Amino acid sequence: AQKVTQAQTEISVVEKEDVTLDCVYETRDTTYYLFWYKQPPSGELVFLIRRNSFDEQNEISGRYSWNFQKSTSSFNFTITASQVVDSAVYFCALSARANQAGTALIFGKGTTLSVSS
Amino acid sequence: EPEVTQTPSHQVTQMGQEVILRCVPISNHLYFYWYRQILGQKVEFLVSFYNNEISEKSEIFDDQFSVERPDGSNFTLKIRSTKLEDSAMYFCASTTGNNQPQHFGDGTRLSIL
Repeated sequence: AQKVTQAQTEISVVEKEDVTLDCVYETRDTTYYLFWYKQPPSGELVFLIRRNSFDEQNEISGRYSWNFQKSTSSFNFTITASQVVDSAVYFCALSARANQAGTALIFGKGTTLSVSS
Repeated sequence: EPEVTQTPSHQVTQMGQEVILRCVPISNHLYFYWYRQILGQKVEFLVSFYNNEISEKSEIFDDQFSVERPDGSNFTLKIRSTKLEDSAMYFCASTTGNNQPQHFGDGTRLSIL
């Protein structure tokens, strides 16, 4: 079975604080992909990053960074110096069964991040 | 930048009625998906479509649901006889290849009365 757990339901921070959103996944597949999506209050889903299971290098994009650790089945997301515009629901997602066409994204329940000024 | 377009943005329908949700995927994309999100809950996969047929479907996607790609641009989700519990935001997504990032439309909010 495949599963994504985002244990943090809601996080509130003050602007300029750093915040880490946790994601733990389960899959029996050896080839899989992990994603983060942002859902701002307007409701759309915005793709942030994709990682494959063979690439454990951490990634940084501006204020965003991602830490992928296969040993703990985690793919955590850190926002440095948070801003009010970062307020959104953040979803971690898993895609496995790489040989099957049209593989579904399995989403976690999301973490609501509120950044106040 | 190319976008996935969904219409209508909001659909209100009486229980038991048929509803069709429409999507125009990004033009060079080959894989198409429908997901739904009940208010305040996580995004759930419904169905994927590739090469003019369903690739995968979830338990939610029962006989009341169907998908179609009637021409080279549109991708539709039909719910034959709507129920109250079908009220949700429905997202269409498309991608260039398997396990590539899926690009989502803005969603259609479906309200069943």
